[in-house]
Amino acid sequence: DAEITQSPRHKITETGRQVTLACHQTWNHNNMFWYRQDLGHGLRLIHYSYGVHDTNKGEVSDGYSVSRSNTEDLPLTLESAASSQTSVYFCASRDRAGELFFGEGSRLTVL
Amino acid sequence: GQQLNQSPQSMFIQEGEDVSMNCTSSSIFNTWLWYKQDPGEGPVLLIALYKAGELTSNGRLTAQFGITRKDSFLNISASIPSDVGIYFCAGLTGGGNKLTFGTGTQLKVEL
Repeated sequence: DAEITQSPRHKITETGRQVTLACHQTWNHNNMFWYRQDLGHGLRLIHYSYGVHDTNKGEVSDGYSVSRSNTEDLPLTLESAASSQTSVYFCASRDRAGELFFGEGSRLTVL
Repeated sequence: GQQLNQSPQSMFIQEGEDVSMNCTSSSIFNTWLWYKQDPGEGPVLLIALYKAGELTSNGRLTAQFGITRKDSFLNISASIPSDVGIYFCAGLTGGGNKLTFGTGTQLKVEL
């Protein structure tokens, strides 16, 4: 079955370290997204991509970057992790009908 | 960033009761999506609505796309313990490129 997977599911890191969260989807969707979810803020868009080599900033993009070298993957990188980036991160991809499908999430703790 | 107003914020109901929740916005949306999120998991799509006035069912769930295109409603009939979770609405606009999420309704079911 086609799906969207994230890794790692849980990560603990230290302030200042570079961290990359992987996202892989097998639906061949062009549109992919990264969100973070925090209490009191709901789901907030970090970055998104509408296709290979296309990347765009969302509402909370500072401190994050993405790259899209193929259709299946949209890795999210924290160049220098900060405690404020402790959160649960969700990757999602969207089909042509506009329906958004989420991965299971990656819980990141920055100490 | 913009969020949809979702109410109620939380509900504590008896097993077997019907549940209603809604989402309102000052903006018009072209598509409404309803998601359920279990603890430690990503949001899972329940129902998608594409036309104003549309009423769509998925088992015990029924959702409606408001006539004004500024609101949507989700009803759950005869609630069961596994209905526990957080329900999110999401509206799609801007040519289908921008998805805005509701603040979530937490449902707790008492046996």
